[in-house]
Amino acid sequence: SQTIHQWPATLVQPVGSPLSLECTVEGTSNPNLYWYRQAAGRGLQLLFYSVGIGQISSEVPQNLSASRPQDRQFILSSKKLLLSDSGFYLCAWSPYPQGRNTEAFFGQGTRLTVV
Amino acid sequence: AQSVSQHNHHVILSEAASLELGCNYSYGGTVNLFWYVQYPGQHLQLLLKYFSGDPLVKGIKGFEAEFIKSKFSFNLRKPSVQWSDTAEYFCAVNARGGADGLTFGKGTHLIIQP
Repeated sequence: SQTIHQWPATLVQPVGSPLSLECTVEGTSNPNLYWYRQAAGRGLQLLFYSVGIGQISSEVPQNLSASRPQDRQFILSSKKLLLSDSGFYLCAWSPYPQGRNTEAFFGQGTRLTVV
Repeated sequence: AQSVSQHNHHVILSEAASLELGCNYSYGGTVNLFWYVQYPGQHLQLLLKYFSGDPLVKGIKGFEAEFIKSKFSFNLRKPSVQWSDTAEYFCAVNARGGADGLTFGKGTHLIIQP
């Protein structure tokens, strides 16, 4: 069966420090991968999605970037964190290639607090 | 671009009461529709989904939702709620056939009082 791993679960980082959140999917190949951010009272906001290795689409211009170095690995990064980057970050995957109807499966999330 | 509106941000009900959570979306094309649930301390999980066919869809734990195309709505219902239904509920939509992720509503925090 497919599983999604996301770490760390919680993270406290000072303003100006770098960030690297990692997400991996097991049990499938060529998944679509997504990064969402959940802020209080604002629902889930799609940040990035990827349909293949090295292919990243950004939905919201911001202080963050994403990379997909391997088929089932998705990384969210920042060179210098801002206070406004605090939030709950969720990785998700969907099992079909582009062009098919899909549902998404979510990881456990990372609670990031920038201090 | 799609948008999703959930009308109730906080709902408090007693056990055995009936539930209806409203969801309206805005999009010019054909969509897939979803309800996700996040129980306290757990990850986001799919409650039910609509792709095509019968507009009344049934999901897990006795939940159902009805897609009304003319109203751009996908309301979630349950005839009799339980204390264990306390959770955050999210309505979501994506474009049919696309891979560009889900657009979520802001969520409804549902509290069931015993």
